[in-house]
Amino acid sequence: NAGVTQTPKFQVLKTGQSMTLQCAQDMNHNSMYWYRQDPGMGLRLIYYSASEGTTDKGEVPNGYNVSRLNKREFSLRLESAAPSQTSVYFCASSEFGLAQAEQYFGPGTRLTVT
Amino acid sequence: GEDVEQSLFLSVREGDSSVINCTYTDSSSTYLYWYKQEPGAGLQLLTYIFSNMDMKQDQRLTVLLNKKDKHLSLRIADTQTGDSAIYFCAESISGDKIIFGKGTRLHILP
Repeated sequence: NAGVTQTPKFQVLKTGQSMTLQCAQDMNHNSMYWYRQDPGMGLRLIYYSASEGTTDKGEVPNGYNVSRLNKREFSLRLESAAPSQTSVYFCASSEFGLAQAEQYFGPGTRLTVT
Repeated sequence: GEDVEQSLFLSVREGDSSVINCTYTDSSSTYLYWYKQEPGAGLQLLTYIFSNMDMKQDQRLTVLLNKKDKHLSLRIADTQTGDSAIYFCAESISGDKIIFGKGTRLHILP
């Protein structure tokens, strides 16, 4: 039982390049989330998926797209990376929606955009 | 607007109690959480409290909630070196989002 896994762990992009961050969970959770964490900041929600087949914008969705490929996988895409997207990205999952108690977090992807 | 505030740093001697404080703004919060983040890792839920409770105790952890003042605290008894981490306070808003504080970095002094 690996929990929530994310790939890659580290990535450096040039401005304008695109990439997809992958996330998978093996806990049969319905809901999945993408957050970004910036130095001295809390976590900010980018997008979430309450269930397979649905996605919704969070607090900071601009510049990102998501795909809930199946119940296990939720990917985050940067179409044209910008330096402002340099951050640590966390994927999380929970059995129920945002209001419920526990979200399980992956180890994070550290992205630098130069 | 919605906001969660907490102090950024706390230093505590090993064996003492640590108290991390948090204030929030939304009176309709249903759940309030404490998450722990160790270096290079994701967040891990430590404990949570329903908004209709005043206190919750779980081994070395005690959560106190003062709804009137919108104040939440986390007390860690007998603080150990393994407790060194960043602690995030968070609240759920109207069932459809969670707002995180900026985190309190707990430093343990020998």
